[in-house]
Amino acid sequence: DTGVSQDPRHKITKRGQNVTFRCDPISEHNRLYWYRQTLGQGPEFLTYFQNEAQLEKSRLLSDRFSAERPKGSFSTLEIQRTEQGDSAMYLCASSPKETGLTDTQYFGPGTRLTVL
Amino acid sequence: SQQGEEDPQALSIQEGENATMNCSYKTSINNLQWYRQNSGRGLVHLILIRSNEREKHSGRLRVTLDTSKKSSSLLITASRAADTASYFCATDAPGYALNFGKGTSLLVTP
Repeated sequence: DTGVSQDPRHKITKRGQNVTFRCDPISEHNRLYWYRQTLGQGPEFLTYFQNEAQLEKSRLLSDRFSAERPKGSFSTLEIQRTEQGDSAMYLCASSPKETGLTDTQYFGPGTRLTVL
Repeated sequence: SQQGEEDPQALSIQEGENATMNCSYKTSINNLQWYRQNSGRGLVHLILIRSNEREKHSGRLRVTLDTSKKSSSLLITASRAADTASYFCATDAPGYALNFGKGTSLLVTP
């Protein structure tokens, strides 16, 4: 069990560019989540996958954001036409489907995005 | 929107002392979790307490939950410098996501 991994760990981009982040969950975890965290704040939920199905999206996830989880394994989060307000830490988490309730989530180290 | 609200926002203590952080939330929950985050890194799960539980222990951690007051507390006993981190409470949101508070920043000095 290598834990949740995210790539890249840091990304600096210019405003207007597209960026894509990758998350590899713990194997056999069928739930995967994306969160965004800005300085001094707690993580805010963006979207949730169960296997390959994207079941929930936050209102924070504007049309410029898209997430995929092909084959129910790794996931990608793409931001198009980045804005300075997108600068944040993007966290990925996974959890096993153990109960019908919210379970413990295992977080990756995050991708820190800086938009210049 | 963030449902949980931790108090205090910042806490500074010396090694060996106990640290208590509180969390208040607004709507009914199924469970409440506490996470720790070291500077600029991912979150680590500490403990989960279900709505039908009142107290739970894990090592030097003690969590209480009062659903009538919609509040929880995290007690870290005999703090160590390595406990320096931000601590977040998280409640279950619709679906299976988590609602996090803004966190308590704990500094433990030798």
